[in-house]
Amino acid sequence: DAMVIQNPRYQVTQFGKPVTLSCSQTLNHNVMYWYQQKSSQAPKLLFHYYDKDFNNEADTPDNFQSRRPNTSFCFLDIRSPGLGDAAMYLCATSHRVDTQYFGPGTRLTVL
Amino acid sequence: GESVGLHLPTLSVQEGDNSIINCAYSNSASDYFIWYKQESGKGPQFIIDIRSNMDKRQGQRVTVLLNKTVKHLSLQIAATQPGDSAVYFCAENLNSGYSTLTFGKGTMLLVSP
Repeated sequence: DAMVIQNPRYQVTQFGKPVTLSCSQTLNHNVMYWYQQKSSQAPKLLFHYYDKDFNNEADTPDNFQSRRPNTSFCFLDIRSPGLGDAAMYLCATSHRVDTQYFGPGTRLTVL
Repeated sequence: GESVGLHLPTLSVQEGDNSIINCAYSNSASDYFIWYKQESGKGPQFIIDIRSNMDKRQGQRVTVLLNKTVKHLSLQIAATQPGDSAVYFCAENLNSGYSTLTFGKGTMLLVSP
């Protein structure tokens, strides 16, 4: 089945230790998104790629970076995780203006 | 650790009842709306969508109503089941040429057997 896959599902890191979260898709969608979601809150868009064009939200901290080496894969890099970065990180994809489809998320814990 | 979350509005219903979840959206220029269901520990799951040229759309056991005059969206779930228990988010697309969604705050639906 076509889908959005996120790895790992659970990630534990230490304060200040860089971490990379992975997203892959078999939908061949041209847009990929990264969201941060904290407990009992709505997903908050961090950035997205439209094909190879990177679009950063104005309030996304510089600590968060992203890479999209090809259509299928997109990575979220957190350069120096702080305690406040502990959250669920969601990847989503869409084909232009169509519906966004979400992966299962990666739960990040920062010790 | 993670910051303390806000308390979500909660709708409690009995199994078999019909549920109505409401959402006020923010931008009168939005032209596409989606309802997502999110179960604990999972990613949001698409339920149903509607475009601004419609005021009603029906799916299997779900209906979405759009009132552009008052910028209001609702999700009706018929014969609610315990498996429907989840947080429901509405999202609006701000007609930016591609899909950039703004999510509403979410409503928790609790279904009792």
